[in-house]
Amino acid sequence: AQTVTQSQPEMSVQEAETVTLSCTYDTSESNYYLFWYKQPPSRQMILVIRQEAYKQQNATENRFSVNFQKAAKSFSLKISDSQLGDTAMYFCAFMKHDSGAGSYQLTFGKGTKLSVIP
Amino acid sequence: DAGVIQSPRHEVTEMGQEVTLRCKPISGHNSLFWYRQTMMRGLELLIYFNNNVPIDDSGMPEDRFSAKMPNASFSTLKIQPSEPRDSAVYFCASSLSTVLSSYNEQFFGPGTRLTVL
Repeated sequence: AQTVTQSQPEMSVQEAETVTLSCTYDTSESNYYLFWYKQPPSRQMILVIRQEAYKQQNATENRFSVNFQKAAKSFSLKISDSQLGDTAMYFCAFMKHDSGAGSYQLTFGKGTKLSVIP
Repeated sequence: DAGVIQSPRHEVTEMGQEVTLRCKPISGHNSLFWYRQTMMRGLELLIYFNNNVPIDDSGMPEDRFSAKMPNASFSTLKIQPSEPRDSAVYFCASSLSTVLSSYNEQFFGPGTRLTVL
């Protein structure tokens, strides 16, 4: 079974500064994907960024980027130029490819509550 | 597209009552997932369907929980009888999954906040 660990229950950052959220995972799979989801107070789960395990290049989406270290099984999220709207819970998630059924299960970490301070 | 639709958004019930949560996936999606979110356990996968067939229900906590997907556009999660420890936010998500696909994003509904008194 896969496990995802987020060791920082809460973090805060000043507006316009940079913050990094940590995530580690454990798996014996070789074919998988990693994700960061954002959950603002509205409760909606929003996909922020994803990384394919077979790609060495770190994924980037505007102000969001990841540091993917496959050997260390580490997948951190960096948010640059933090904005007030970035205040939310952030979940790291793992997806393996269930090739038999063609379906994909997500395993989530417990989340990090990020507060952006004006 | 309206996205994944869940109803009701909020449900308050008394212990022992039957609760039915509803989900309409995105049109054309063939995989549907039910998750439960609590402070203690975080987000957990309860069950998922592929082409209306339940594939893995190992996350369903006990026999009081049941899920159905009678057609491609509708699924229910039922709790009977409900207990206070079932209080949580229940999310439904859908995706378009094929064996040949390398990746299929899951789109989440807004969730149903269930409170069992």
